[in-house]
Amino acid sequence: DAKTTQPPSMDCAEGRAANLPCNHSTISGNEYVYWYRQIHSQGPQYIIHGLKNNETNEMASLIITEDRKSSTLILPHATLRDTAVYYCISSGYSSASKIIFGSGTRLSIRP
Amino acid sequence: NAGVTQTPKFQVLKTGQSMTLQCAQDMNHNSMYWYRQDPGMGLRLIYYSASEGTTDKGEVPNGYNVSRLNKREFSLRLESAAPSQTSVYFCASSVEGAYSPLHFGNGTRLTVT
Repeated sequence: DAKTTQPPSMDCAEGRAANLPCNHSTISGNEYVYWYRQIHSQGPQYIIHGLKNNETNEMASLIITEDRKSSTLILPHATLRDTAVYYCISSGYSSASKIIFGSGTRLSIRP
Repeated sequence: NAGVTQTPKFQVLKTGQSMTLQCAQDMNHNSMYWYRQDPGMGLRLIYYSASEGTTDKGEVPNGYNVSRLNKREFSLRLESAAPSQTSVYFCASSVEGAYSPLHFGNGTRLTVT
């Protein structure tokens, strides 16, 4: 089962695009890449997910490399409210015990 | 639309006491989960219920029991609380297993003294 690797912390200036990388080199063909974020001590919030095509919604864009070994979450115009821990997870149609939340990336937005 | 509701929000227990954490979802989701999060760490799965009537162990099930009471409700019980169970507990639900996004509640902050 795939495990993901993320940088422990990043920062970004307010108004700029925040690009958060994730490596998932052992992802299997039927596993999706999911992104969640956790603001302060609240429950994690779903952001976006994808299989192999790039995806965009009102919150973010997800770029997945052609070999599916890595992906990037893009917050196009970061605001102070985007300060959070961001988790990249791979999961598919298998046991839910395989959903592994690592330590994530702590994103700080500078005013 | 409340989503996932957890009660209580805060709880302090003495070692050896028991308690039940309650979780309810109003999204008609089939799957429900219990996670714990220790300070500065990611979430670890305690138990999950893929569908009504089924429960399975996650990564850290020892010291806990669960009940999927009906499709809406999934409770977590600590029979004899220990200080090592001091943590924030999150309940989540999804439409169907690991193929669909998880929706989380806002957590129960438990301290065991």
